[in-house]
Amino acid sequence: AQKVTQAQTEISVVEKEDVTLDCVYETRDTTYYLFWYKQPPSGELVFLIRRNSFDEQNEISGRYSWNFQKSTSSFNFTITASQVVDSAVYFCALSEPGSNYQLIWGAGTKLIIKP
Amino acid sequence: SAVISQKPSRDICQRGTSLTIQCQVDSQVTMMFWYRQQPGQSLTLIATANQGSEATYESGFVIDKFPISRPNLTFSTLTVSNMSPEDSSIYLCSLSGTGTGGYNEQFFGPGTRLTVL
Repeated sequence: AQKVTQAQTEISVVEKEDVTLDCVYETRDTTYYLFWYKQPPSGELVFLIRRNSFDEQNEISGRYSWNFQKSTSSFNFTITASQVVDSAVYFCALSEPGSNYQLIWGAGTKLIIKP
Repeated sequence: SAVISQKPSRDICQRGTSLTIQCQVDSQVTMMFWYRQQPGQSLTLIATANQGSEATYESGFVIDKFPISRPNLTFSTLTVSNMSPEDSSIYLCSLSGTGTGGYNEQFFGPGTRLTVL
């Protein structure tokens, strides 16, 4: 069965520290899609990245980077030199072909960046 | 990406009443979805809003409680009927357009914060 696990309920770090948010997924399909979303206190969900299962290249976007490892079924998200504005709840999600575009959501990780 | 708006942004309602939430997109989209996010929780899919046909509901959600309309490719409504305090949540609409390369990411509206007293 499909499942997304974000074991870290809450992480608190001091500004400028690096922080990694873990995401472990389960799927029976060989083709699937993984996503990260950010939900700041305002409540709006912001799309960050989509990764296809056949593309294991890691991605870097500014201070954000994503490490996709099929061998461990993980899709971890690292913020380098964290800033207070990074404080939010971050969700990892999974989608499979034939699922009618539905997303399987992780429970979310609340990230607190202290000044 | 498409611009998605939702109305109202928030509301406080009395139990037993109903509230209709509107979702407007500035371009035509194939797939629209409605989610509920209870306080401190992840997102739960309520239904897929199909244009020109009845919505497809997920387990635990029924049309009588959450009727959905999708009259065209840019607009949908979700009604929360006969509300109780347990319906207090953020309700979000999302869209997933068609494109090349397979499944596209979903984009979300700003959400409607509902409090039921």
